[in-house]
Amino acid sequence: DVKVTQSSRYLVKRTGEKVFLECVQDMDHENMFWYRQDPGLGLRLIYFSYDVKMKEKGDIPEGYSVSREKKERFSLILESASTNQTSMYLCASSLSSGQHNEKLFFGSGTQLSVL
Amino acid sequence: AQKITQTQPGMFVQEKEAVTLDCTYDTSDPSYGLFWYKQPSSGEMIFLIYQGSYDQQNATEGRYSLNFQKARKSANLVISASQLGDSAMYFCAMREIYNFNKFYFGSGTKLNVKP
Repeated sequence: DVKVTQSSRYLVKRTGEKVFLECVQDMDHENMFWYRQDPGLGLRLIYFSYDVKMKEKGDIPEGYSVSREKKERFSLILESASTNQTSMYLCASSLSSGQHNEKLFFGSGTQLSVL
Repeated sequence: AQKITQTQPGMFVQEKEAVTLDCTYDTSDPSYGLFWYKQPSSGEMIFLIYQGSYDQQNATEGRYSLNFQKARKSANLVISASQLGDSAMYFCAMREIYNFNKFYFGSGTKLNVKP
C-alpha cells in the first residue's frame, strides 16, 4: 500500500524556534508538496519539489523553506516560527507522468501550534 | 478570482439518503482535471474520484459520482446512500494542463450524516 508519512501528528513550539516538519514517501514519486490547511481557506501550496534538490515556491512561501536531499524525503522548515504559522500542514506526493489523472497522495498531517 | 469555489461550508444529510456537494471552477485552459478528496477527522486526505475535462461520461466510483457540467463549469459530487462514515470534510480540486504541478483546492464542505 502506498504511504506518505509525516513525522509528527501534533507539534507544539515556541515563537522564534526553528521547526522541521519531515515527510517521507515510499512510492518513488518525483513530485512532493507541502500544503497548509486553515479553516475556510482550504489547502494552500507552500512549496513543491519535482526532483531531488529542485524546488519551486507555491502561493505562500514566506516564512518557510524546504529541503529535498533524497527523492523520498521532503522537509519543511520554519526558520523562526511565529503564531500565525499555527496551522495543519499536509505533505503530498505524486508521479510526474504528465497524465492529468495523476492524483496527490497525502500524509496524515501535522497540527502545529506556535505559542 | 477563485479557481475553485465550494459554497456550502456545512451540510447535514440523513443516513441512507443521497447528498450533492457543490463545486464550481474557473479556468481558461483547454484541458484540466477535477478531483474530490475526503478528509475524516483523522486528518488524512483520501482520494475519491476524478473527472477529466474531455471525458464524455460522468465519473463514478462506487457510491460516489461526479455530476460534470462543463458549460456551467461545475463538478458536483453526489454521494448515494449516505453512511455515518461519510461524515467528513470534502474538498474539490483542479489541475490545469499549463500549470501541471499545481492543484487548486476549494475551501471545503463539512458533511454530517445523521442517524
